[in-house]
Amino acid sequence: KAGVTQTPRYLIKTRGQQVTLSCSPISGHRSVSWYQQTPGQGLQFLFEYFSETQRNKGNFPGRFSGRQFSNSRSEMNVSTLELGDSALYLCASSLSSTPDTQYFGPGTRLTVL
Amino acid sequence: AQSVAQPEDQVNVAEGNPLTVKCTYSVSGNPYLFWYVQYPNRGLQFLLKYITGDNLVKGSYGFEAEFNKSQTSFHLKKPSALVSDSALYFCAVRALTGGGNKLTFGTGTQLKVEL
Repeated sequence: KAGVTQTPRYLIKTRGQQVTLSCSPISGHRSVSWYQQTPGQGLQFLFEYFSETQRNKGNFPGRFSGRQFSNSRSEMNVSTLELGDSALYLCASSLSSTPDTQYFGPGTRLTVL
Repeated sequence: AQSVAQPEDQVNVAEGNPLTVKCTYSVSGNPYLFWYVQYPNRGLQFLLKYITGDNLVKGSYGFEAEFNKSQTSFHLKKPSALVSDSALYFCAVRALTGGGNKLTFGTGTQLKVEL
């Protein structure tokens, strides 16, 4: 089975712009979670989607949003980018939304200038 | 609220020696515990997990972890370290009850295995 794929792998944006990141889960997986990884804050949970519904949300401002499509693919959007949004954004998928192993993609490295 | 502590930022071991990476956790109710490894410029790679059952969990690449409920610990171990094990290791926890799949991660421990 193919693993979790994320596109693009690298992005450079400027402050004030918006960005959309994409995640394709492992085939058959219905839950997709997003995490932000930075040197200062470590790994922080952004949100989780299951069957196109947001199940959990972390402590991030409303500029961070996401959605999930009927094929379980997910996108996250960050509007009005700030320098502090520079991070590795990781997507993880699992079979369901009950306790289950999450498998991570390679991440999208976002740099905000 | 759930939390994870990894008290060591870095662990250095010689190749062939046993290694231990420490993790303690705090969660309401029974825990669901994971170890992941991250190589440079890569995502997280699943190593092993504990849900219930035997306190000693065996995982990928010869790694194992011991769950200790009284000490709320879940230390990662390997009997004989390899240079290729050098990477960043994360412990994670979520509660068994409650909806969703939110994982809370520790700050990570950099493992360096030297010849």
